[in-house]
Amino acid sequence: AQSVTQLGSHVSVSEGALVLLRCNYSSSVPPYLFWYVQYPNQGLQLLLKYTSAATLVKGINGFEAEFKKSETSFHLTKPSAHMSDAAEYFCAVSDNTDKLIFGTGTRLQVFP
Amino acid sequence: EAGVVQSPRYKIIEKKQPVAFWCNPISGHNTLYWYRQNLGQGPELLIRYENEEAVDDSQLPKDRFSAERLKGVDSTLKIQPAELGDSAVYLCASSLARSETQYFGPGTRLLVL
Repeated sequence: AQSVTQLGSHVSVSEGALVLLRCNYSSSVPPYLFWYVQYPNQGLQLLLKYTSAATLVKGINGFEAEFKKSETSFHLTKPSAHMSDAAEYFCAVSDNTDKLIFGTGTRLQVFP
Repeated sequence: EAGVVQSPRYKIIEKKQPVAFWCNPISGHNTLYWYRQNLGQGPELLIRYENEEAVDDSQLPKDRFSAERLKGVDSTLKIQPAELGDSAVYLCASSLARSETQYFGPGTRLLVL
């Protein structure tokens, strides 16, 4: 069975600071990994996805994530936070059967 | 290009009442998904359609939930009767085909009193 653990339900950073959102996965087969962002009262938007190509994946809005098989991790980073990055972020895993298994989410707050 | 459209955006009902949610996927998207997102949780898949066919409904509580996708385009998810525990956000998503990127609608926020 596949699962995702997101460490930290809330993360707060200052504007301009590094953003690091943690995601660890469990999968018995090579995983496909995703990060989605959800703004208030909106649906989920895909930030980036890993599908077994390059281990460093670049996404939209300056976000990137690195797949580390040895650590079973897929942490999301952004060098410099912007106020508009405040949202809920979800990590998800799939075995490419089309079923996404989501984590419980991390709410990012950005302070001026 | 229009995104996934869902209606209503909000719904408040009393327990034991029926409720229905509607979803119109992105034009040309053959695969349609319904998810339920409980407060403080990530979305969980309820049912997936390939065109008109429900190909994965293992997580759909069939005693009270039903869904249909007539003509392989828009879809309706129904709950009858609703229970207090059904309060959640119901998300619809679509993709061009299986294993392609899923695009989500804004969701319907249901409150059962």
